[in-house]
Parts: sequence; structure tokens; C-alpha cells
Amino acid sequence: QVQLQESGPGLVKPSQTLSLTCTVSGDSISSDSYSWSWIRQPAGKGPEWIGRVSPIGSTNYNPSLQSRVIISVDTSKNQYSLKLSSVTAADTAVYYCARDIKFWSAGDYYYYMDVWGKGTTVTVSS
Amino acid sequence: EIMMTQSPDTLSVSPGERATLSCRASQSVSSNLAWYQQKRGQAPKLLIFGASTRATGIPPRFSGSGSGTEFTLTISSLQSEDFALYFCQQYDNWPPTFGQGTKVEI
Repeated sequence: QVQLQESGPGLVKPSQTLSLTCTVSGDSISSDSYSWSWIRQPAGKGPEWIGRVSPIGSTNYNPSLQSRVIISVDTSKNQYSLKLSSVTAADTAVYYCARDIKFWSAGDYYYYMDVWGKGTTVTVSS
Repeated sequence: EIMMTQSPDTLSVSPGERATLSCRASQSVSSNLAWYQQKRGQAPKLLIFGASTRATGIPPRFSGSGSGTEFTLTISSLQSEDFALYFCQQYDNWPPTFGQGTKVEI
């Protein structure tokens, strides 16, 4: 059974870079059937999708965050990572990693998230 | 981006009762909609994908319906473990977007 676990600092100073890692167990991150996403959820709000990475390192980012986000994959460690630069208090949230199921329909690929990590709280404060 | 609006924000029901949660998209998302259950301190759990297909291991009391812009999640007979936060998510259009959630409480 696949499990995902987020790790990284719980406190980041304003203007610095938030760095998180997601470790995947019970499945290979290299499988062509999946991509790997990051999502965040500020307190009391709905989730916000940040971006995803494929096993070969192709990425898609939310336009609202694209200028500050880098997501990368390390297949040798079965991990993928998130870097969010120039953080402010608005970036305070619970950050989740999740596996995307990739499927083909009507001439295009679609993705939905089937397994999530438990999340890690990141606070941006000096 | 597509906005997802859920109603109500909070639903108060008794164990054994039926719960009906709504999700509306600002434009058509076909049937590319998922429902998730979220409990405090736990990983969000996929309940429904493709608007109406139950994920593996999800009991039949959970059912999803709808297409286009209007969707419904129905819990036919609420169990104690079903009191949680539920949110919908569209994956038809990029970027994927979520509703703000409906809290189902006793």
C-alpha cells in the first residue's frame, strides 16, 4: 500500500525559501502511470494545488505560484521536493504531497489525486 | 481558473440520517470531478472520482452524481466515522481547483 510522507522545516522566515520533501513508500515513483503533486491548505480555507512533477522531471505549476515554485524528483531516493521562494505570511499553510493517477480520455491526459500524505504545517514568521 | 463552490458550509445531521452535499463549478468540468474526505490530522482520502465512481475500499453508502457544473455527494446513512470535512475538486481544466469544503457535524 503506497504511503507518502512530507518532511521539512515547520518554520520559515519571510523572504526565505520553503523546502519540503515527500518520501514515497510502497510504490515506485518511476511508474509511468503516475505524477506527483504538491497541494497546500491555509487554515480555514480550501486546498490550493501548487504543481506536479512526472517521473522524468516534467513539471506543471499553478500560474498563481509559477514564478516562485520549483518541484523536482529524485527517483533514486523515491522522493520528490518542493521549493517555494520569497515566502510571506500568506504562504503559511498545511502542505500536502499526493500521487496523481494519470489517464487518457478524449484526446488528452487528465490527473486526479488518489493518495495523500498527512500533511506538514509550515509557518512563515520572523 | 474554474471556481468550485460547495454548499452548505456546515451540515448538521444525526447518525443514521442521509447527508447531501453540493458542489458547483463556474463552468463545465464534464465528469472530471473528485470528492475527498478530510479528518483532522489525517491524510485526505479520495472517495469518488469521475463524478460517480467510488474509490477502492469506499463503502457503498457514499455515492456521487452530476456532470457539467452541478454535482452531489450523498452519504445514505451517516456513521460516526463519517463526521468530517468534505471537499470537491475539478480536474477537467488546468489548474485543478478545489471547493472550500463542507463540514458534516453531529
